[in-house]
Amino acid sequence: GAGVSQSPSNKVTEKGKDVELRCDPISGHTALYWYRQRLGQGLEFLIYFQGNSAPDKSGLPSDRFSAERTGESVSTLTIQRTQQEDSAVYLCASSPTVAKNIQYFGAGTRLSVL
Amino acid sequence: GDSVTQMEGPVTLSEEAFLTINCTYTATGYPSLFWYVQYPGEGLQLLLKATKADDKGSNKGFEATYRKETTSFHLEKGSVQVSDSAVYFCALSASLMDSSYKLIFGSGTRLLVRP
Repeated sequence: GAGVSQSPSNKVTEKGKDVELRCDPISGHTALYWYRQRLGQGLEFLIYFQGNSAPDKSGLPSDRFSAERTGESVSTLTIQRTQQEDSAVYLCASSPTVAKNIQYFGAGTRLSVL
Repeated sequence: GDSVTQMEGPVTLSEEAFLTINCTYTATGYPSLFWYVQYPGEGLQLLLKATKADDKGSNKGFEATYRKETTSFHLEKGSVQVSDSAVYFCALSASLMDSSYKLIFGSGTRLLVRP
């Protein structure tokens, strides 16, 4: 596609449920990033993929959060046993190569944990 | 650790007014600096960037100069339009110790331009 695609655009879930968020990066982009944006705040880095490997997971807030990437393309961010503090917009970005240093963002998934 | 501080909003201006949004940073090494813009209902878009000291990034009438001596990257526009209403984020990446080039963002400044 023309840009970074994320799905679903909105997700409402109950506390304690697991959720999966999907990111389709721009075709051919080797670097992929996940960020979280809490209401009224800036973006927080979660995890970085180079190809299918994740050399930097330093932003994942707890072991309830995990992510994978397959085929050097699609990535899935999974949050287990969701908590209310997980409510946020989750943004995915991709970059042609990490050294290009320009990230293209998707529109995000708005997660609401009730 | 690395961080970005930008002025709190909202900033409310009349059309054709001059805009400045302040941004300062703390980083080891020599980061690249960015301004991203988030229009209502849309994803973040890169507005401009600068990769070394004294570089000036510019786009759509916006400018920002990488000032290493003051660790600043203030965003300016000479004459704002209603269509510039959005949230603006200052960000940095790739300081000395970070090979992931992840972006570190400020908290964002909402700009509202009135006709």
